[in-house]
Amino acid sequence: EVQILETGGGLVKPGGSLRLSCATSGFNFNDYFMNWVRQAPGKGLEWVAQIRNKNYNYATYYAESLEGRVTISRDDSKSSVYLQVSSLRAEDTAIYYCTRTLYWGQGVMVTVSS
Amino acid sequence: DIVLTQAPLSVSVTPGESASISCRSSKSLLSSKGITSLYWYLQKPGKSPQLLIYRMSNLASGVPDRFSGSGSETDFTLKISKVETEDVGVYYCAQFLEYPYTFGAGTKLELK
Repeated sequence: EVQILETGGGLVKPGGSLRLSCATSGFNFNDYFMNWVRQAPGKGLEWVAQIRNKNYNYATYYAESLEGRVTISRDDSKSSVYLQVSSLRAEDTAIYYCTRTLYWGQGVMVTVSS
Repeated sequence: DIVLTQAPLSVSVTPGESASISCRSSKSLLSSKGITSLYWYLQKPGKSPQLLIYRMSNLASGVPDRFSGSGSETDFTLKISKVETEDVGVYYCAQFLEYPYTFGAGTKLELK
């Protein structure tokens, strides 16, 4: 059974940083590209970042609205992917989902507020 | 960026009837490999999105065959035949052809 579990969310002050983690199991993690997608309260889905696998030299891609403030990384030995977000703003408040396109985690809430 | 325009933004359907949702892309989603990179997701209330259709017309594993996807290079349709109560939620189309990946605004399906 495929499992995707995001952790690391919470309440952060504007200007702060956060590192989200996504632990996976049930599939060969090394074979897949992994993504982060976010959803602001009551809004639609917004793709945030992707990291490709080793065959593609772990290439990374980012949404322009976040570029420079986010870094996606992965640890194949732990079947995990991470998202570091800095200089957080109120508009970054959202549920952050880790996804393999087919499979999605339950999401983790990030709230940016003073 | 590729813009995906969904219509309608909300639809009210009587259980047992059919529903169709349109998704129009600002650019062809047909890749050089002959794959149309358009996906459909359903997000049920309080849940994560779940994949319904991949590559325009392929039914994801475990998805009832009441769902079907069709289209061309820029115009796509998700059809739900014989809508059931469990189909309530927001439907999103998404393109994974080029970066940044983008989603439609969503279509909310409710029951009459």
